[in-house]
Amino acid sequence: GAVVSQHPSRVICKSGTSVKIECRSLDFQATTMFWYRQFPKQSLMLMATSNEGSKATYEQGVEKDKFLINHASLTLSTLTVTSAHPEDSSFYICSASPGQGHGYGYTFGSGTRLTVV
Amino acid sequence: AQSVAQPEDQVNVAEGNPLTVKCTYSVSGNPYLFWYVQYPNRGLQFLLKYITGDNLVKGSYGFEAEFNKSQTSFHLKKPSALVSDSALYFCAVRDWNQGGKLIFGQGTELSVKP
Repeated sequence: GAVVSQHPSRVICKSGTSVKIECRSLDFQATTMFWYRQFPKQSLMLMATSNEGSKATYEQGVEKDKFLINHASLTLSTLTVTSAHPEDSSFYICSASPGQGHGYGYTFGSGTRLTVV
Repeated sequence: AQSVAQPEDQVNVAEGNPLTVKCTYSVSGNPYLFWYVQYPNRGLQFLLKYITGDNLVKGSYGFEAEFNKSQTSFHLKKPSALVSDSALYFCAVRDWNQGGKLIFGQGTELSVKP
């Protein structure tokens, strides 16, 4: 149990277009999901905390108009990279916590490799 | 603020030898500590956690970690490394002062050679 599905796994888009990444909790409800960005062989940088039914909380330095987060249901959060540029190319990962019954840990999606050309 | 540190960017081990990936933490209160592994172009996979109880925690794929309160460490260990263990390893602590989000260490790249 406690599976998080992330889609797509890989996307290539043209500069100036927008890309949506989906994160779904398949067998549990997630009132909170987290979005991370990761550069090659580096740690995960938390971008924002997605809260079901309310606005996301962005980390300092993350442009909220650039990275739109929507958490419309207890099982789905989406990250939209708007007007993408080559510097937005990165690996994006979402995660959610199934709660106390799973030892307070987090389950991660398999990640999305975004390449902006 | 809570934090974890992984002092080694890379660890190289010969197959069959024991391995250790180091992690130290700085937290207020009781730490909730985790180890995750990441293979190329994949998300993170949970290995093990320490919440409370025995200081020696056993996890997936033969890994274990020892919680040492006096040294504020939570090193990951395996008695006999496999080539397939080669990956990026992250230590993390859950920060209850910041909504419970995970704070990650810098990551350690483990390379196991045949």
